[in-house]
Amino acid sequence: EIVLTQSPATLSLSPGERATLSCRASQSVSSYLAWYQQKPGQAPRLLIYDASNRATGIPARFSGSGSGTDFTLTISSLEPEDFAVYYCQQRSNWLFTFGPGTKVDIK
Amino acid sequence: EVQLVQSGAEVKKPGESLKISCKGSGYSFTSYWIGWVRQMPGKGLEWMGIIYPGDSDTRYSPSFQGQVTISADKSISTAYLQWSSLKASDTAMYYCVRHKYYMDVWGKGTTVTVSS
Repeated sequence: EIVLTQSPATLSLSPGERATLSCRASQSVSSYLAWYQQKPGQAPRLLIYDASNRATGIPARFSGSGSGTDFTLTISSLEPEDFAVYYCQQRSNWLFTFGPGTKVDIK
Repeated sequence: EVQLVQSGAEVKKPGESLKISCKGSGYSFTSYWIGWVRQMPGKGLEWMGIIYPGDSDTRYSPSFQGQVTISADKSISTAYLQWSSLKASDTAMYYCVRHKYYMDVWGKGTTVTVSS
């Protein structure tokens, strides 16, 4: 089973700052990596798929990069509504797993 | 509009059975996998399994195999997640998702509380 680790666990930043979130896989997942955002009391929302493709309606300040085992989600300039928990997710054969999440909170 | 509408919150006792539902609309229900994701209180996301309503092909996470049953009725565009004997540890939010390898549409979730 492929294990995803996310770092840092918590990222404390101010609005307008740049956020860089990391997701590392225990073995290669090629580009089959997605990112989700979850706000309190809400269902998660797909942000990025295939490592770097923004989902429909996702603002351009969100970008994804990486392949193989190392991936990054970047929020270029944090808006107040971006403070949330972010999860990465991979597919390997018929097993899908999520990372433990990174919480982006207000400094 | 593509959406997944889940059934309402449930409160059950240990040992009881339960079946929750997820109705898809706004797209071809038989052309996409539907999955289920668990989120225990204050915790992260756990993938449980998926079903292809077109032919009922079903896959489970090893962690949930034998613990739950996923099914679908394509005639009414509805997927189901069921338990035959609930445990307190099944207390969680359960999301249904439209599933490619990523999950692009999420239901609002069904809260299941199991308590004596």
